[in-house]
Amino acid sequence: NAGVMQNPRHLVRRRGQEARLRCSPMKGHSHVYWYRQLPEEGLKFMVYLQKENIIDESGMPKERFSAEFPKEGPSILRIQQVVRGDSAAYFCASSHRDRIETQYFGPGTRLLVL
Amino acid sequence: GEDVEQSLFLSVREGDSSVINCTYTDSSSTYLYWYKQEPGAGLQLLTYIFSNMDMKQDQRLTVLLNKKDKHLSLRIADTQTGDSAIYFCAEQTGANNLFFGTGTRLTVIP
Repeated sequence: NAGVMQNPRHLVRRRGQEARLRCSPMKGHSHVYWYRQLPEEGLKFMVYLQKENIIDESGMPKERFSAEFPKEGPSILRIQQVVRGDSAAYFCASSHRDRIETQYFGPGTRLLVL
Repeated sequence: GEDVEQSLFLSVREGDSSVINCTYTDSSSTYLYWYKQEPGAGLQLLTYIFSNMDMKQDQRLTVLLNKKDKHLSLRIADTQTGDSAIYFCAEQTGANNLFFGTGTRLTVIP
């Protein structure tokens, strides 16, 4: 009964490259959320998705960031042309459609931009 | 807008009770949460409380909610060294996303 899976756990990119972060929700969960945690800070909401739909992207930077949750496969958070300020831990959470008040978090992907 | 505040650090002796406090500003929050984060790990949901409740107890954990003062607390009884971690308070906003505080780093002294 696997929990929320994220990969890679650690990702190193040079400035200008692309970063792709993947999230597989818990079995049976159709709601996915992405959060970012900067060093020594709390988590900040980025985007909320259901299968094939973006429900709320109010926390996403306007440029370079995109997210998807296709019908098949994991949710992807994509960061184009990364900059040093993108270095952070990115956490995915998922919830069941009948218990959306309960979000379960993955272990996170730690992105380091050199 | 939402704002969730917590004190940054708390130290307690093993066996004592820990009380971690949190204040929030969004009176329309429906649920309030406590998450635990150990070094290099994700967030573990400890407990949560519906906004029309005053108290919730779960084994060593007691959550108190004062909705009038917008104050939430987490009490850990008989604190153990394994409880050392960062504890985040969070509120669920109307948009269903969670708004987190900056976290309280709990250190348990043997």
